[in-house]
Amino acid sequence: DVKVTQSSRYLVKRTGEKVFLECVQDMDHENMFWYRQDPGLGLRLIYFSYDVKMKEKGDIPEGYSVSREKKERFSLILESASTNQTSMYLCASSLMPSGSGEQFFGPGTRLTVL
Amino acid sequence: GEDVEQSLFLSVREGDSSVINCTYTDSSSTYLYWYKQEPGAGLQLLTYIFSNMDMKQDQRLTVLLNKKDKHLSLRIADTQTGDSAIYFCAEGRGSNYKLTFGKGTLLTVNP
Repeated sequence: DVKVTQSSRYLVKRTGEKVFLECVQDMDHENMFWYRQDPGLGLRLIYFSYDVKMKEKGDIPEGYSVSREKKERFSLILESASTNQTSMYLCASSLMPSGSGEQFFGPGTRLTVL
Repeated sequence: GEDVEQSLFLSVREGDSSVINCTYTDSSSTYLYWYKQEPGAGLQLLTYIFSNMDMKQDQRLTVLLNKKDKHLSLRIADTQTGDSAIYFCAEGRGSNYKLTFGKGTLLTVNP
């Protein structure tokens, strides 16, 4: 069975802290994605990666960075957390270039920045 | 533009059919998807349709695609309380299969 796991379900951090969100997939997928989900705004793409050490900005990359040192792991980094980064963060992966391109999602991390 | 539009809310009675509608803007979309999100969980793929198809049926789910109008719908037959969730429409294009999601439709099923 396809599996995407995220390091934490709930996280509480203080303003200014450095925050790491980890995502691991066991499907040998090339593509990995980080989204944030906010009420009324749906899913917004922060960053994605189509190969190890490769990354591309999504629609809202400001305030975030990413790291992909191994194929199965994609990390989202908040260099200095701010209250407007309080959100649900969802990681996903997909196979490229073959297949129907569907993305498989992790359970999400609900981050609260105080 | 690259918007995917959906109505935000739908309320039905248990046992009725639900129809969730979606419009998209990019005629070069290759695949169109429906995802379901239950409270506090990630997104789960329900079904997808290739852009050269008009219809796809999978048990209680029927997807209709009108490419001319760029309109996609998801019909859930015999809707149950366990179908209460947020449903996202998404379109995919490009070699890296970046998806564009709608804002989601909250389906409420009343007993």
